[in-house]
Amino acid sequence: EPEVTQTPSHQVTQMGQEVILRCVPISNHLYFYWYRQILGQKVEFLVSFYNNEISEKSEIFDDQFSVERPDGSNFTLKIRSTKLEDSAMYFCASTRDIVNTEAFFGQGTRLTVV
Amino acid sequence: AQTVTQSQPEMSVQEAETVTLSCTYDTSENNYYLFWYKQPPSRQMILVIRQEAYKQQNATENRFSVNFQKAAKSFSLKISDSQLGDTAMYFCAFMRGQTGANNLFFGTGTRLTVIP
Repeated sequence: EPEVTQTPSHQVTQMGQEVILRCVPISNHLYFYWYRQILGQKVEFLVSFYNNEISEKSEIFDDQFSVERPDGSNFTLKIRSTKLEDSAMYFCASTRDIVNTEAFFGQGTRLTVV
Repeated sequence: AQTVTQSQPEMSVQEAETVTLSCTYDTSENNYYLFWYKQPPSRQMILVIRQEAYKQQNATENRFSVNFQKAAKSFSLKISDSQLGDTAMYFCAFMRGQTGANNLFFGTGTRLTVIP
C-alpha cells in the first residue's frame, strides 16, 4: 500500500541552525501539507502546497519557514533559524483531491532544538 | 475560526467492550467534513472514519461508527467490540467544505487504552 515517507525520523539541531525536513508524498497525490505537534498539544496546520505554490498557510508559518518541491517526488520544509519553541513532531501529509478526501500522513520527524 | 474540542484526554476500555469518544466543534460553515484519525504508538495517523455534514445518516465502518449531531455540533466515535489493536491516540478533525480550504483542524486527542 502506498505511503508517505519522512526523513529523518529524529533530528537534533542547535538553536539558530537551519533544518530541512523531507517528505515523499504518495506518487499520484497533488496536494501536500505540513503539520506540527508540540508535545502534549494538538496537531496544528502549517501549510498546504499545490501546483508548486503555497495554497494556504497558518499564522504559525512565518518567514522562517519555507516549503519546496525540488523535484517530482520530494516535498521539503525548511526552518531557517530554529528556535527552542520549534521543537515538535512535524508531519507531512498528502491528498489526491482538494476536498473530502483522505489525508495520508507520514510517521513524522521529531525535531529537537537545543 | 474553527475549533475542535476533545474533552477526554484519556480513556480505557476492556477488550470486547464498547467505548465512545467525544468530540465537539465550533464553526460558522454550513458545508464541512468531519474525521476521526487514529495514531498508534508507531506514530503514523490513519483515517478511521469520515462524515459529510450534509449527510444525515451516521457513518459506519465495521466496528467504528459515529453519532453526528449537527445542531449540537457534536461528533462522537463509538468503537464496538474493542480490540487490543485499537489502543492509540484518537484525533477528531474538521475540514471546511470550500475549494482550496482542505487543511484539517484537529482536537487535542484522546488516548485510548484497551485492557486485556
